[in-house]
Amino acid sequence: NAGVTQTPKFRILKIGQSMTLQCTQDMNHNYMYWYRQDPGMGLKLIYYSVGAGITDKGEVPNGYNVSRSTTEDFPLRLELAAPSQTSVYFCASSYPQETQYFGPGTRLLVL
Amino acid sequence: QKEVEQNSGPLSVPEGAIASLNCTYSDRGSQSFFWYRQYSGKSPELIMSIYSNGDKEDGRFTAQLNKASQYVSLLIRDSQPSDSATYLCAVRPSNSGGSNYKLTFGKGTLLTVNP
Repeated sequence: NAGVTQTPKFRILKIGQSMTLQCTQDMNHNYMYWYRQDPGMGLKLIYYSVGAGITDKGEVPNGYNVSRSTTEDFPLRLELAAPSQTSVYFCASSYPQETQYFGPGTRLLVL
Repeated sequence: QKEVEQNSGPLSVPEGAIASLNCTYSDRGSQSFFWYRQYSGKSPELIMSIYSNGDKEDGRFTAQLNKASQYVSLLIRDSQPSDSATYLCAVRPSNSGGSNYKLTFGKGTLLTVNP
């Protein structure tokens, strides 16, 4: 099993550009999550999903959108990128009430 | 706002010593508690979970939970340079509209083990 995979590993965006961060898991987990981590800070939940077709906002959803059309995939969309979205983004997945497994992360720089 | 606070660090210990990492949480109804280790530039990985009061041991790691004091700690015995990392405390808050699978993370404590 590859676990949780994320692409790209690193990306530079210009202010106002858009992009999609990809996340795929092959563990058949129902739950998937997107977090951002700023330097010296913990993980902040952006969006989460409890199954295909079901998504909900976390702590810091503004400026982001998600979709969950399949169990495996949970892409995160950034519209109109802003410098405040410079961060490391982690996708995670889990069974209900179980351990969350994290992907390797995507480093995003918005200039 | 449900919060998780960790001792600010950084924490530096000599090789072979015991490293003690502390975490307090504000939500008294929290049920599940986790310690994640995060090496620089890497993703978090779970090292311990604890659900009931007392101690839970796994190799060189011991998690301690005191729900009355809203306190959870992680002890690392015989610390090794390879233990140098940021340790994140995470708490699953009390059930709130079925969202009891979300985690609240602390900011982390950077541990350095000196050879």
